Amino acid sequence: NAGVTQTPKFRILKIGQSMTLQCTQDMNHNYMYWYRQDPGMGLKLIYYSVGAGITDKGEVPNGYNVSRSTTEDFPLRLELAAPSQTSVYFCASSYAQITSEQYFGPGTRLTVT
Amino acid sequence: AQTVTQSQPEMSVQEAETVTLSCTYDTSESDYYLFWYKQPPSRQMILVIRQEAYKQQNATENRFSVNFQKAAKSFSLKISDSQLGDAAMYFCAYRGTGNQFYFGTGTSLTVIP
Repeated sequence: NAGVTQTPKFRILKIGQSMTLQCTQDMNHNYMYWYRQDPGMGLKLIYYSVGAGITDKGEVPNGYNVSRSTTEDFPLRLELAAPSQTSVYFCASSYAQITSEQYFGPGTRLTVT
Repeated sequence: AQTVTQSQPEMSVQEAETVTLSCTYDTSESDYYLFWYKQPPSRQMILVIRQEAYKQQNATENRFSVNFQKAAKSFSLKISDSQLGDAAMYFCAYRGTGNQFYFGTGTSLTVIP
């Protein structure tokens, strides 16, 4: 049971490039989330999904896109990377029940220069 | 939307002493869960403890305990016998009947040898 896995761990992008951050969970969780964490700051929700085929915007969705074609995978797409997207990105998942905590991946450190 | 407030950006404690981290939240819901997460320098988010709103008894996990005051909407974390490994960022989180988790901005805990 690997939990929540994210790839890559680190990435440097040039301004204007695009990339996809991968997230996979093997716990059969319905709910999945993407957060960004800027240095010394808390978590900001980018997008979330309550099941395959269903996604919704969080607090800071601009510049990002997501898709959820399977229960396990929830990739985050960055189009036209900007320096403001330099951050650490966390994927998380949970069961639908209110009792469930979130399980987090190890994070992806992204630098846009 | 629910809000979670951590009013102490930084705290410090002497090794073996006790420290309390504060968290308040705002909600109109009656059923919800509260969580404390620890984020060490490795960045991995680790669940420390959870509390159900309907339970009057405060949750305890080894050296970690909470002081849950439902009427005051307060959920503080007490760390007893502090250890060097407790040094981390601590986040308070709320989960209600909606699809999202709400996080505070975090408290950075330093443990002084």
